[in-house]
Amino acid sequence: AQSVTQPDIHITVSEGASLELRCNYSYGATPYLFWYVQSPGQGLQLLLKYFSGDTLVQGIKGFEAEFKRSQSSFNLRKPSVHWSDAAEYFCAVGAMYSSASKIIFGSGTRLSIRP
Amino acid sequence: NAGVTQTPKFQVLKTGQSMTLQCAQDMNHNSMYWYRQDPGMGLRLIYYSASEGTTDKGEVPNGYNVSRLNKREFSLRLESAAPSQTSVYFCASRSAALSGNTIYFGEGSWLTVV
Repeated sequence: AQSVTQPDIHITVSEGASLELRCNYSYGATPYLFWYVQSPGQGLQLLLKYFSGDTLVQGIKGFEAEFKRSQSSFNLRKPSVHWSDAAEYFCAVGAMYSSASKIIFGSGTRLSIRP
Repeated sequence: NAGVTQTPKFQVLKTGQSMTLQCAQDMNHNSMYWYRQDPGMGLRLIYYSASEGTTDKGEVPNGYNVSRLNKREFSLRLESAAPSQTSVYFCASRSAALSGNTIYFGEGSWLTVV
């Protein structure tokens, strides 16, 4: 069955510190992976996506994520967080070779920034 | 650039009432989705439509029906609303292209059932 696990419900980091948000997925086919960010009361904004090629993908706002097939992971990283990064982050998985597939989201990680 | 448009944005219903959430996309996408978002639960897929004329159940379909009216429109209907259906609902769409296969979301519909 298709599933996404974000093991950290809430993370607090200091401004300027590095960040890593974890995402593990379960998917029988070649996965297509996304990270989205949602600010309070807002819609979802795509940070980055992986569908082929280099396993380290760069996104907007200085975020990057690394696809590790052997670990079924797609962790999101940022070298130095800013107060404006406080938001909820969602990892999602779908089928790479079919737009007809379900897209399943994790339960999210809420990021707080300590001044 | 309209993208994905959902209506209404806010709605309050009484238990047992029915309503339809409308969704339209102007990007000529094949696939469309309805999600609900609840605190601590992330986004859960209610129904999706891979193409015009097809619909499939997602993770939490009970209490909902959908219609893929044409390629542009995908509506979600609550036949008899229950307080457990109080949530934020997001419509999304996705192209069939293999590259750049991004999902685009609407702005959300806040539904309260009292």
